[in-house]
This record gives sequence, C-alpha cells and structure tokens, in this order.
Amino acid sequence: GAVVSQHPSWVICKSGTSVKIECRSLDFQATTMFWYRQFPKQSLMLMATSNEGSKATYEQGVEKDKFLINHASLTLSTLTVTSAHPEDSSFYICSARVAGTAYEQYFGPGTRLTVT
Amino acid sequence: KNEVEQSPQNLTAQEGEFITINCSYSVGISALHWLQQHPGGGIVSLFMLSSGKKKHGRLIATINIQEKHSSLHITASHPRDSAVYICAAGGGANNLFFGTGTRLTVIP
Repeated sequence: GAVVSQHPSWVICKSGTSVKIECRSLDFQATTMFWYRQFPKQSLMLMATSNEGSKATYEQGVEKDKFLINHASLTLSTLTVTSAHPEDSSFYICSARVAGTAYEQYFGPGTRLTVT
Repeated sequence: KNEVEQSPQNLTAQEGEFITINCSYSVGISALHWLQQHPGGGIVSLFMLSSGKKKHGRLIATINIQEKHSSLHITASHPRDSAVYICAAGGGANNLFFGTGTRLTVIP
C-alpha cells in the first residue's frame, strides 16, 4: 500500500530556533502534498497546500514567512517552522496526493513539535 | 453546522464486541477517509473509499453516497483498537473536512 513517512516523529527545540519537518511519499509520486496541524483534543486543520515546483498556497491566518514550505521533488515536501515559539508546539501532519489522481491521498504519521 | 459529523464522540466497549462508528457529511465528496490516531498521536490511514465497502482484517468501512453517510465497523474488538478514529470527507478540488473524532476504549 501507499506509504507516507515523516521525519522526525518528534522534536524538541528552543524558542527562536528553526525546525524542519520532512514529508516523503515512499512508493508513489505526489504532485500535491498537504500540511495540517492539530492542537490537543482538536481535529486536523489544513495549513497549506504544496505543489511540486511551485509556491505553496496557505490557508487564511497561516503566516507563510513563519511556516516555509518547499516541495522540490515529487516525493518530498518540507515544512520549516522559523523562529519557533512555544505556541507553535503542536502535532504537524502531512498527506500526499498520488500523482495523476484527483483525490487519492495518504497521510503521514505526524510530527510532534515541542518548543521550550 | 459542521461539514462532517461523527458519532458517538466517545465509545467504551468490552473486548470482543462489534463496534460501529458513524460519519455523516454535507459536502460533495470525491472520497472519504478513515484515520486512526493512537494515544501517542501517530496517524494511520485505514481506508479511503468513494463507494461501496472495503475490508481490511477486522475493519470494514462502508459508504452510502446517496445518504452521505459512512460507517466504520470493527469486529472482535481488542484493547489495541483503542484509539481516536477520524473521518475526513472531500478531496478533489475541495479540501478535506475532518470530523472531530470518536475516542474508542476497548476494555479487556
């Protein structure tokens, strides 16, 4: 089956530093990847849509200069949280849409970020 | 009104029981996803379906497009099935809309 991985699975960083989270489609190509965040006891909320080779589209209220997204290849998208603050502590999840399909997408396991 | 509603919000079952989690949606969809989120947070894609029924091991997912309703069934439930189950509907040109999840606890 289609597998999406995320790395790291968890990370702790200090305020003011930047953290990069990777999302990889392991056995399929993904022209579109999605980044979500989830606060405790809440559902997933879409942050941005990442298209290979073009700029990401951010949802309203998501700071594009704070959450840098790069989708440089058909199997890899990265989310960089810049100048992290404790309020950025959250669970970040990606999903990847299979290239050539309209809706077939698979979710990564998520990355837990804690900013101290 | 939420685009995707799940019921029940919480469910406690005895080991071995048959479990049903329901998902109703109001948006037009290309596909409906069932996700499992373990207590540690890790998400697992269980099913993606656009019609009919899918089965994987003890898990069965069904969808009725006309009624805009999907169900996730777990047969012979086990404590390791304890998790939050999330329904997400949409896809295609639309974003996915997520339900708030059903927290399942299976007691030995």
